[in-house]
Amino acid sequence: GQNIDQPTEMTATEGAIVQINCTYQTSGFNGLFWYQQHAGEAPTFLSYNVLDGLEEKGRFSSFLSRSKGYSYLLLKELQMKDSASYLCAVIDSNYQLIWGAGTKLIIKP
Amino acid sequence: ETGVTQTPRHLVMGMTNKKSLKCEQHLGHNAMYWYKQSAKKPLELMFVYSLEERVENNSVPSRFSPECPNSSHLFLHLHTLQPEDSALYLCASSQDFTSGSNEQFFGPGTRLTVL
Repeated sequence: GQNIDQPTEMTATEGAIVQINCTYQTSGFNGLFWYQQHAGEAPTFLSYNVLDGLEEKGRFSSFLSRSKGYSYLLLKELQMKDSASYLCAVIDSNYQLIWGAGTKLIIKP
Repeated sequence: ETGVTQTPRHLVMGMTNKKSLKCEQHLGHNAMYWYKQSAKKPLELMFVYSLEERVENNSVPSRFSPECPNSSHLFLHLHTLQPEDSALYLCASSQDFTSGSNEQFFGPGTRLTVL
């Protein structure tokens, strides 16, 4: 079966750095997304990786290793507004998005 | 209106009721999606429409019936639902269905409670 694993919950301190990991086992691979979802709101796009390596976008970076079936989202200079759930999703060979259950990130002052 | 809109935002219904959820996208996209989001579970894809034709139906019970009258509108008709159908129902759209970098834009969702 297809599977996306990510930690259920993480806690970090304002101003610090946090890394949220995602491992996947899917039938084929056409890219990996990270989305942010604040409580009660819609998921919003953060990043897309299809080639190995690091993609940097401001305070957020996303890394992909296709051979290891692994990605991480790195958040720097954490702010209170970064408290949210972070969803990892993989596009399989049928162009269907397979979603992880999300990681709830709690930021403490 | 911009982006993806959904109505109603909240819905409470009995098991014998019939109701409909509405989604509208103002992005000129060709693909639209219905997802179910339950607490601490992955997003479950229910239906996909590409150019107004249904391309995916992930074994969804027949008490959920989608309708896509045009590329901008998507409906989810509900009837004789069960309490376990209570969840957040999200609509999304993307430029195309079969494209790798196919970012999906989500609406705010409808919080459905079935009594």
